[in-house]
Amino acid sequence: DTGVSQNPRHKITKRGQNVTFRCDPISEHNRLYWYRQTLGQGPEFLTYFQNEAQLEKSRLLSDRFSAERPKGSFSTLEIQRTEQGDSAMYLCASSLDTYNEQFFGPGTRLTVL
Amino acid sequence: GDSVTQMEGPVTLSEEAFLTINCTYTATGYPSLFWYVQYPGEGLQLLLKATKADDKGSNKGFEATYRKETTSFHLEKGSVQVSDSAVYFCALSRGYGQNFVFGPGTRLSVLP
Repeated sequence: DTGVSQNPRHKITKRGQNVTFRCDPISEHNRLYWYRQTLGQGPEFLTYFQNEAQLEKSRLLSDRFSAERPKGSFSTLEIQRTEQGDSAMYLCASSLDTYNEQFFGPGTRLTVL
Repeated sequence: GDSVTQMEGPVTLSEEAFLTINCTYTATGYPSLFWYVQYPGEGLQLLLKATKADDKGSNKGFEATYRKETTSFHLEKGSVQVSDSAVYFCALSRGYGQNFVFGPGTRLSVLP
């Protein structure tokens, strides 16, 4: 399968702990996006990368969140000092900047106890 | 800012019924419009798209027409199947490579 993959699929953590998620985009895609989806809502944009450069961050991305995309390949999203309000599905998508379509991964479901 | 509004669900239909899910948007300029579908336990999949006014996107029996005058992109299907049960998201993008703005989603349940 050559689609977007995300790991882990599920993560349960205690409040105050740090968590890190990984996204592997479709190999030739130069753009990578992170979204957050809470129950009953549509995905909300968090941030995106063009190659290794982080070009835009949403105001939803607080200082406790950091995302990286070293070498323009896979990306990681870290949440420090997790809070119960961080519980959500975290979605990754990839695209070419010449595409008018994004390809989504299956998501990582985070539960903060 | 840009936004997308969808009809509230859940929508419950019998097999072979006609489906309409309303979607309206607010955006500057001329966004591209999309419908994504999320089946249980799976990621979002593109269902159809339209990039300019009066374009009609279609796929798997679903259709939606980009109506600039009413800022709408309503999803329709003439005869739904049980396998169409899923959550449907309307979305817009302001350009190639730009991030998407999604509506809240509409859950569809089709009963046999």
